[in-house]
Amino acid sequence: DAGVTQSPTHLIKTRGQHVTLRCSPISGHKSVSWYQQVLGQGPQFIFQYYEKEERGRGNFPDRFSARQFPNYSSELNVNALLLGDSALYLCASSFSAVSTDTQYFGPGTRLTVL
Amino acid sequence: AQTVTQSQPEMSVQEAETVTLSCTYDTSESDYYLFWYKQPPSRQMILVIRQEAYKQQNATENRFSVNFQKAAKSFSLKISDSQLGDAAMYFCAYTGGSNYKLTFGKGTLLTVNP
Repeated sequence: DAGVTQSPTHLIKTRGQHVTLRCSPISGHKSVSWYQQVLGQGPQFIFQYYEKEERGRGNFPDRFSARQFPNYSSELNVNALLLGDSALYLCASSFSAVSTDTQYFGPGTRLTVL
Repeated sequence: AQTVTQSQPEMSVQEAETVTLSCTYDTSESDYYLFWYKQPPSRQMILVIRQEAYKQQNATENRFSVNFQKAAKSFSLKISDSQLGDAAMYFCAYTGGSNYKLTFGKGTLLTVNP
């Protein structure tokens, strides 16, 4: 079975632009979570979606938004990019949205903002 | 708020030797889960081992085992018979109660010397 997939692998944008990152969960998983990992740090929680509903949001500005589609794939959108948004963006999928479910991560999207 | 602390930014071990990575956490929850994830240079976050707080028995996965001390809120990872492929960043993570998100430590960079 395929694991979590993310696209694109790498992305370079300039300040002020908009970016969309995509994630496909493991087959059968209905929950997707997004994390931001700045160089040298552990991942920070951004969003969790379950059954197309937002279940949680981390301490990120409104420039960050996300959605989940009927096939459980997800998009993370970031508007008005800042230099500080440069990071590895990780998507994780789990069967449901409870703490008992292990989250499995994709390979990430490396975003560079110039 | 839950916090996870990894006090060793870097560790090194000789191939075939044993190494222990430390992690402490803070929580007021009684039901929670602890994880060790491995992130090699390829960036993919890989689950190494998971521990349920209600289980007194320490989790083991082949060469990987944990020492879970619930009263001390300590969760260390022991890697036996270290292999070159074990070289990676290791993250300790927590989730629990109604807190579905993963909270990560800052990571420990493990180097394996031949």
